[in-house]
Amino acid sequence: DTAVSQTPKYLVTQMGNDKSIKCEQNLGHDTMYWYKQDSKKFLKIMFSYNNKELIINETVPNRFSPKSPDKAHLNLHINSLELGDSAVYFCASSQDRGGIYGYTFGSGTRLTVV
Amino acid sequence: QKEVEQNSGPLSVPEGAIASLNCTYSDRGSQSFFWYRQYSGKSPELIMFIYSNGDKEDGRFTAQLNKASQYVSLLIRDSQPSDSATYLCAVNKGDSNYQLIWGAGTKLIIKP
Repeated sequence: DTAVSQTPKYLVTQMGNDKSIKCEQNLGHDTMYWYKQDSKKFLKIMFSYNNKELIINETVPNRFSPKSPDKAHLNLHINSLELGDSAVYFCASSQDRGGIYGYTFGSGTRLTVV
Repeated sequence: QKEVEQNSGPLSVPEGAIASLNCTYSDRGSQSFFWYRQYSGKSPELIMFIYSNGDKEDGRFTAQLNKASQYVSLLIRDSQPSDSATYLCAVNKGDSNYQLIWGAGTKLIIKP
């Protein structure tokens, strides 16, 4: 019974395509996040939603658009994919908007743009 | 200066010894500090968090925080080969309770 589940696990696609990554959590947490981890292993916050409200919107290209239909789901849509978008994307959730008790991460989506 | 700095390693420690992982941060307003473990190809998982100066122990793990010197460390006692992983330090932004700044991680190798 996975706490934070992401699909797909792997995504290989050509430049210029549009793709989506889905995330669902069954922990009853209020806040969900999208992180990008590049080849140097830095984790960078992209977006955060608290009860469907966008609370963190970091400087990312507007080709990236999050959507939270309810507090258990947070999806990420990427338009016009570029080579530099290749990375591992992690969804995460936390009990509260501050994440003071830490985050629970999904298993990640490895995106490769060719 | 990076906001959260960790030695990338690898740090090699013999099995049974104490592994010491260090992290320094630049934002004096930071109040929350976290250690995550990430196995290769897996997602980060929370080991410990600490908010107050001093030590916090949880099993074989001890987190140490010194706000005056702006460092936080993680000690792993009786290191096991299964502790081999990358350890990520995360610190909240002082002007925002909603955001964490992450270090790049220290790769730890426990040698049998």
